[in-house]
Amino acid sequence: AQKVTQAQTEISVVEKEDVTLDCVYETRDTTYYLFWYKQPPSGELVFLIRRNSFDEQNEISGRYSWNFQKSTSSFNFTITASQVVDSAVYFCALSEAGETSGSRLTFGEGTQLTVNP
Amino acid sequence: NAGVMQNPRHLVRRRGQEARLRCSPMKGHSHVYWYRQLPEEGLKFMVYLQKENIIDESGMPKERFSAEFPKEGPSILRIQQVVRGDSAAYFCASSPNYRDEQYFGPGTRLTVT
Repeated sequence: AQKVTQAQTEISVVEKEDVTLDCVYETRDTTYYLFWYKQPPSGELVFLIRRNSFDEQNEISGRYSWNFQKSTSSFNFTITASQVVDSAVYFCALSEAGETSGSRLTFGEGTQLTVNP
Repeated sequence: NAGVMQNPRHLVRRRGQEARLRCSPMKGHSHVYWYRQLPEEGLKFMVYLQKENIIDESGMPKERFSAEFPKEGPSILRIQQVVRGDSAAYFCASSPNYRDEQYFGPGTRLTVT
């Protein structure tokens, strides 16, 4: 069975600090997909990134970067120079490549990030 | 291109009533997913549908819950005889294909009194 663990329940930083959100996953499939979503206080879920298991290249998008390491089953998310608007709950998620299971996102418990001015 | 639409945004029902939650996917998306967010349990998959077909309902409670995605119109998540434990945020997502990223709607907050 697939599982996603976000061990950090809450993180609090001061604006402009860098912060890394950890995500560790478990799956028996060799082909799978990893995602990060952001849930701001308004409650909607915002898609941030999708990676497949064959692509271990790190990705950078503005102040956001992602580090995917298959050897440690981790897909960590770093925000550089954090801003107050980054305050949100961040979810890591996994889907496998099966015909039907590939539809199903398994979410971690989420990390509440608070960025203080 | 409008995003995923859900209505109502907030729904209050008394115990024993029925709740109907609607979801219109993004234009061009024919795959719809429903998730539930409970305070103690996080975000959990409920059901995956394509037009007129339920593909995966492994996360759906066996009783009182049903979902449909008709040929015309929005997807509907129906909860019969609601109980207090059904109080949660229900999110709908859509994707163009079944392995693509899923885009979420704003959610429906159901409160059962």
